[in-house]
Amino acid sequence: AQRVTQPEKLLSVFKGAPVELKCNYSYSGSPELFWYVQYSRQRLQLLLRHISRESIKGFTADLNKGETSFHLKKPFAQEEDSAMYYCALKGHDYKLSFGAGTTVTVRA
Amino acid sequence: DAMVIQNPRYQVTQFGKPVTLSCSQTLNHNVMYWYQQKSSQAPKLLFHYYDKDFNNEADTPDNFQSRRPNTSFCFLDIRSPGLGDAAMYLCATSRASGSAGEDTQYFGPGTRLTVL
Repeated sequence: AQRVTQPEKLLSVFKGAPVELKCNYSYSGSPELFWYVQYSRQRLQLLLRHISRESIKGFTADLNKGETSFHLKKPFAQEEDSAMYYCALKGHDYKLSFGAGTTVTVRA
Repeated sequence: DAMVIQNPRYQVTQFGKPVTLSCSQTLNHNVMYWYQQKSSQAPKLLFHYYDKDFNNEADTPDNFQSRRPNTSFCFLDIRSPGLGDAAMYLCATSRASGSAGEDTQYFGPGTRLTVL
């Protein structure tokens, strides 16, 4: 069975402060991990995926197989980063399992 | 530019009255998904079509059905909506080629269903 856990339901940070969203997973094989984001009144969209190893909008995420984690980080949060963030896992098939989501609020 | 389109954006139905939600895509993706998302919860996969093959999740109630008449369109039918079926329904598509990096899911804006 595959499972994704996002322990923080809400995260509030000040503009310019670092932000880290935690994601842990359980899966017996080699998963693909993703972060999806949903801005207010917009559709759910892919933010980044671990195999790309790229930084999107200043966000990075590293897959740590030893700790089964895929935490999302940004060194300096911006107000436009306020959104709902979902961690997701793709196992041996093409379906995604989503975490419960973390609502990020960046305050001025 | 919309690639995954859902209609209507808001749907109100009465308890027990059948309702159909629609999804269309311009991406020519072979897989289409339907998710149910309740307030403050993760999207929950109901079922998906891989080409013409229908794949139901084990815990999806029989009250939910789906049709995919062609590559571009997919419908979600709720035969007898209950109050607990009020939710946002998301359609998504992907090109499940088996190659890593080619199977990003693209989501529609969702249809918010209200059951009176």
